[in-house]
Amino acid sequence: GQQVMQIPQYQHVQEGEDFTTYCNSSTTLSNIQWYKQRPGGHPVFLIQLVKSGEVKKQKRLTFQFGEAKKNSSLHITATQTTDVGTYFCAGQTQGGSEKLVFGKGTKLTVNP
Amino acid sequence: KAGVTQTPRYLIKTRGQQVTLSCSPISGHRSVSWYQQTPGQGLQFLFEYFSETQRNKGNFPGRFSGRQFSNSRSEMNVSTLELGDSALYLCASGLLATNTGELFFGEGSRLTVL
Repeated sequence: GQQVMQIPQYQHVQEGEDFTTYCNSSTTLSNIQWYKQRPGGHPVFLIQLVKSGEVKKQKRLTFQFGEAKKNSSLHITATQTTDVGTYFCAGQTQGGSEKLVFGKGTKLTVNP
Repeated sequence: KAGVTQTPRYLIKTRGQQVTLSCSPISGHRSVSWYQQTPGQGLQFLFEYFSETQRNKGNFPGRFSGRQFSNSRSEMNVSTLELGDSALYLCASGLLATNTGELFFGEGSRLTVL
């Protein structure tokens, strides 16, 4: 079945450093979504990427969707303590009716 | 606009018992998905309902079941509970279906099986 791998599993950074998490799918995706879950909270939608090679920015966050639509990345520039949480990617295979498969997430901690 | 409401928020059961969890999606949303979240396995898909029909099902045993009502509210049931069923169960609603946009998650129901 479809698998979505996410690395790294954990990342600890000093405030102000950059952070990147990577997501790889075993199959071509129709779209990929990113979610953030704060400690003790629930996942909150960040963005959806649909087009091959797409790049989207949200303030300090940059999201990329690979040309082959099998990988994606989330990059945070100059991390802040408010960025703490677990970042999940979630991919859906071609076909439109397939379930959304989540990666296991990257847990980010930021040292002030 | 009220968010996704899950009840109960916390519950403790013993092995062999059964449990029913409830999810009320955002008003107007017709898609409801259920996920099991554990520290080791992340978010694992259980099932998805759209307009009272199960559209997709994850790789969970038959002890896990669900349904959706005409008002889009959904319930999931786990019978013959096992220790490994201890987890946070998250419900997510979507406006149309999972392939058309973001999911809105509830706070979850934290189940502990003793």
